[in-house]
Order: sequence, then C-alpha cells, then structure tokens
Amino acid sequence: RKEVEQDPGPFNVPEGATVAFNCTYSNSASQSFFWYRQDCRKEPKLLMSVYSSGNEDGRFTAQLNRASQYISLLIRDSKLSDSATYLCVVNGAGGSYIPTFGRGTSLIVHP
Amino acid sequence: NAGVTQTPKFQVLKTGQSMTLQCAQDMNHEYMSWYRQDPGMGLRLIHYSVGAGITDQGEVPNGYNVSRSTTEDFPLRLLSAAPSQTSVYFCASSPRLAGDQETQYFGPGTRLLVL
Repeated sequence: RKEVEQDPGPFNVPEGATVAFNCTYSNSASQSFFWYRQDCRKEPKLLMSVYSSGNEDGRFTAQLNRASQYISLLIRDSKLSDSATYLCVVNGAGGSYIPTFGRGTSLIVHP
Repeated sequence: NAGVTQTPKFQVLKTGQSMTLQCAQDMNHEYMSWYRQDPGMGLRLIHYSVGAGITDQGEVPNGYNVSRSTTEDFPLRLLSAAPSQTSVYFCASSPRLAGDQETQYFGPGTRLLVL
C-alpha cells in the first residue's frame, strides 16, 4: 500500500460546481498535512495547510480525519482558474519527518 | 528575496554525459531537497539535506549525487546521464524539517532530456 494515495481523476466539473478530493495516508503517526496546487508545467505551490479542527480559506475547505486516516479538500463555486493538479502532502507518512507527496488529483473546470 | 532558484531551465544531454543542476535559496532555510517528476509518477524524492554538510538519500537516489557545502546551495549532479533520467527536476526548501506546518517552497524546475 502506498504511503499517500490520491484518486488521479481527472475530475471534470462545470463552473460553479462544488468538488471534493480525498487523500489517504497509511502511517497513523503522520504529523502534518498540506494541499499544494500545481499548474501545468509549473512548480507546486502551497494551497493550504490542514489543521486538526479543519480550516477554510475562501472557497476552499480542508479537513483532517485522523481516525480514518484521510484528508479532504472541498472547493466551492469552482472557477475556470481552479483547473490544476492538487497534491496531497503528508509529513511523517514514511515514519520520518520527510514530506511524502501523493501523485495528485487533476481538476478540469469547464464553462 | 528571490526564493528558490534553479538553473538551467532546460537541458539536453547525450547518454553518458555528466552535468550539475544548480539550486539556491536565499531564505536561510535548513531543509533542502531534490525531486523528479514523471508523468503518472508524482514527485519522487531523490536526495535531501537538513543542513550544511548533511545529506541523505531519498526514494530514487541512484545515478545522482548531492553536496551541501553552504546553507544556500544544494547542487544535484548526474554522474553519467541515462535516458531514464529524462524528467522534470524540482528543488525545494523549507525552514526546518521537523516540526508542525513546515511549508515547502519550490524552484521553477529544470526540464532535462537525455538522448
């Protein structure tokens, strides 16, 4: 089983839709969690950290479920500009503090 | 601050050639790392460093060397390039490795083609 797993998609949604991605991790001792965004042919950039109590940043909401070992990202009112690949990152997934990246989930928002 | 810089942006090599990919950061970050990204494979860790003089292997270290003589610089050396090393290479840094909420900052990447 991979340490960090994501559904690669693509998720193809119309503008204005709500879409959610999940990411599962295998090590229950994992320390911290993040969502990164990567545009085509660009470097990954931090979208948001994921806190135990859940957190929101505008149209984006991140949740952590330690019992079931997954994190989620919810995007409300999707925009064309949200089209990108969303990477789940878990620190400590491999038993050390080294960040482990999921393979990413592709989102395509169409008019 | 320039953040994380990488050179070159593009490179074409012949099999067997060697080269160094440069990475520098001006944020005084302790942790630096190199990843390669291939279609369908996500980001895979090649080597990392938790401070000057300290390096360690990641998931896919074979064929690559690194050194960390200063806090700012973390070059990646390809010893004898092979077509399997055709990839996009990203360098990243963060203030520290251990601890909570340690964001990674990525360079713009180097696109390498080995013929």
